[in-house]
Amino acid sequence: DIQMTQSPSSLSASVGDRVTITCRASQNIDNYLNWYQQKPGKAPKFLISAASRLQSGVTSRFSGSRSGTDFTLTINSLQPEDFATYYCQQSYTVPLTFGGGTKVDIK
Amino acid sequence: QVQLVESGGGVVQPGGSLRLSCAASGFSFSEYGMHWVRQTPGKGLEWVAFIRYDGNIKFYADSVKGRFAISRDDSSSTLYLQMNSLRADDTAVYYCTKVRGDFLFDSWGQGTLVTVS
Repeated sequence: DIQMTQSPSSLSASVGDRVTITCRASQNIDNYLNWYQQKPGKAPKFLISAASRLQSGVTSRFSGSRSGTDFTLTINSLQPEDFATYYCQQSYTVPLTFGGGTKVDIK
Repeated sequence: QVQLVESGGGVVQPGGSLRLSCAASGFSFSEYGMHWVRQTPGKGLEWVAFIRYDGNIKFYADSVKGRFAISRDDSSSTLYLQMNSLRADDTAVYYCTKVRGDFLFDSWGQGTLVTVS
């Protein structure tokens, strides 16, 4: 199985900060990496596909990138509605696997 | 507007069975593959099962293989998950998700809680 290692597991940030979350795959997954946002008590929401393709309707404050098997989610100018938990997920092969999540809370 | 509404969760004893349903609307259900994904506080998000748009291909996580069965009824736009031989570690919120491509979860239901105790 492909392991997805996400870091950090949590971080505290202020409104207006730039935040970076990293996800590392245990093997090559090409660009088959997706990002989701989850708020407490809600289902996850799809944000980014193929490492860097923003879902329609998602603010351009979010961006994604890839370097080999390392993937990054960046949130520019953090807004109050961005405080949530973020998950990466590989869609390269079954079993589909998720990272452990990164909780972004208010400093 | 895609809408996915899960039902069928509840409390069940170890070794028992439960069938989850997911009523889909707002898209052409028969043209899309569907997944079940579950979430526990301790283990985060875990993919459970996939069924292709035509029902001819199904995949399962090793943790549920042989115990769970995914199926679909295109006439009623409903996805199912039959769960047998339930264990305590199956306790989770179960989400049905619509796919983009085959393996990307682009829409999620609100989830239904299954408690095995």
